Amino acid sequence: NAGVTQTPKFQVLKTGQSMTLQCAQDMNHEYMSWYRQDPGMGLRLIHYSVGAGITDQGEVPNGYNVSRSTTEDFPLRLLSAAPSQTSVYFCASSYRTGTGKKLFFGSGTQLSVL
Amino acid sequence: QRVTQPEKLLSVFKGAPVELKCNYSYSGSPELFWYVQYSRQRLQLLLRHISRESIKGFTADLNKGETSFHLKKPFAQEEDSAMYYCAFPPGGTSYGKLTFGQGTILTVHP
Repeated sequence: NAGVTQTPKFQVLKTGQSMTLQCAQDMNHEYMSWYRQDPGMGLRLIHYSVGAGITDQGEVPNGYNVSRSTTEDFPLRLLSAAPSQTSVYFCASSYRTGTGKKLFFGSGTQLSVL
Repeated sequence: QRVTQPEKLLSVFKGAPVELKCNYSYSGSPELFWYVQYSRQRLQLLLRHISRESIKGFTADLNKGETSFHLKKPFAQEEDSAMYYCAFPPGGTSYGKLTFGQGTILTVHP
């Protein structure tokens, strides 16, 4: 199993550009989530999903959209990038039951918005 | 409801004891975790208090009186150098999401 796969690993955008960060998992996990990692701020939840077709906002959702059409994929869209969105983005997945509070993380996407 | 990690940076020498602090503000019975991110590796679960386990020589005890969940290791190794996060499921139910502390970068010097 590849686990949680994120693409791209690095991205540079200009202010106002849009892009989609891809996240896919092959573990048949029901839960998926997106975090951003900023120095001194830790990881903050952007959006999460408890299953296909169901998403909800996290702590810092503004400027980001998500959708979950399949169990495997959970893309994060930046509609109009801003310098404040410069960060490292992590996607995570977990089971609904049992060890559902153990998150499996992707390797991250380092995004710079100029 | 939140967790606080008061130290952004922590440096120790190899063989010295290490303690990474985590304080929580939570009503009810918290379930707490430590996650670790080694250089060039993915963030991963280190241990969870409910398991009362020792992983890579680390232990963490939930102290309800002091509302703390400090991570401890009696003899630090260079390979312990990493970013450490304390975390908990907000509202008690995860739904695949956790609230993380600010993180502590541990550096173990030879």
